[in-house]
Amino acid sequence: AQKVTQAQTEISVVEKEDVTLDCVYETRDTTYYLFWYKQPPSGELVFLIRRNSFDEQNEISGRYSWNFQKSTSSFNFTITASQVVDSAVYFCALSAPPRDNFNKFYFGSGTKLNVKP
Amino acid sequence: DAEITQSPRHKITETGRQVTLACHQTWNHNNMFWYRQDLGHGLRLIHYSYGVQDTNKGEVSDGYSVSRSNTEDLPLTLESAASSQTSVYFCASSESQGGADTQYFGPGTRLTVL
Repeated sequence: AQKVTQAQTEISVVEKEDVTLDCVYETRDTTYYLFWYKQPPSGELVFLIRRNSFDEQNEISGRYSWNFQKSTSSFNFTITASQVVDSAVYFCALSAPPRDNFNKFYFGSGTKLNVKP
Repeated sequence: DAEITQSPRHKITETGRQVTLACHQTWNHNNMFWYRQDLGHGLRLIHYSYGVQDTNKGEVSDGYSVSRSNTEDLPLTLESAASSQTSVYFCASSESQGGADTQYFGPGTRLTVL
């Protein structure tokens, strides 16, 4: 069965602190895709990154970085020097391969990040 | 720019009424999805479609229906609204099948059933 666990329900940090959001996934498939989405207080879901299971190279985009480790089934997200605008709920998602014949996403329950000035 | 829109953004209705939520995308994507978001449950899939005339049930489809008459639109209908259907509803679309494509989400519709 496919499953995504985001054990951190809520995290609070002070601006400029680094913060890591954890994502642990379960799948028996060798081909899969992982995603992160941001949901700011305004409510929309914003796509951040997609990673496939064959690419374990870490990704950096500005203050954002992602650490994909198949050995621990984790796809963690780090924000460096956090800012108030980073306050949001962050969702990790797993996409199943075509066995289910559709582009189903399995979402974690989300981590709410509060960045205080 | 291509986008995905939802209307209305907010809706209040009464128990037993039929309600239709609209979703329109200009990405020309084949796949479209409806989710509901509730505290403690994250995002749950209601219905999805691979293309025109194709619709499928997701994990929480009871009480909901969809139809796909063109590529751009996938309206979600609540046949007889119930208080348990108070939620935030998101529409999403993706380009093709295969488990690889990013889903892009609309802004959401907040539905309250009194």
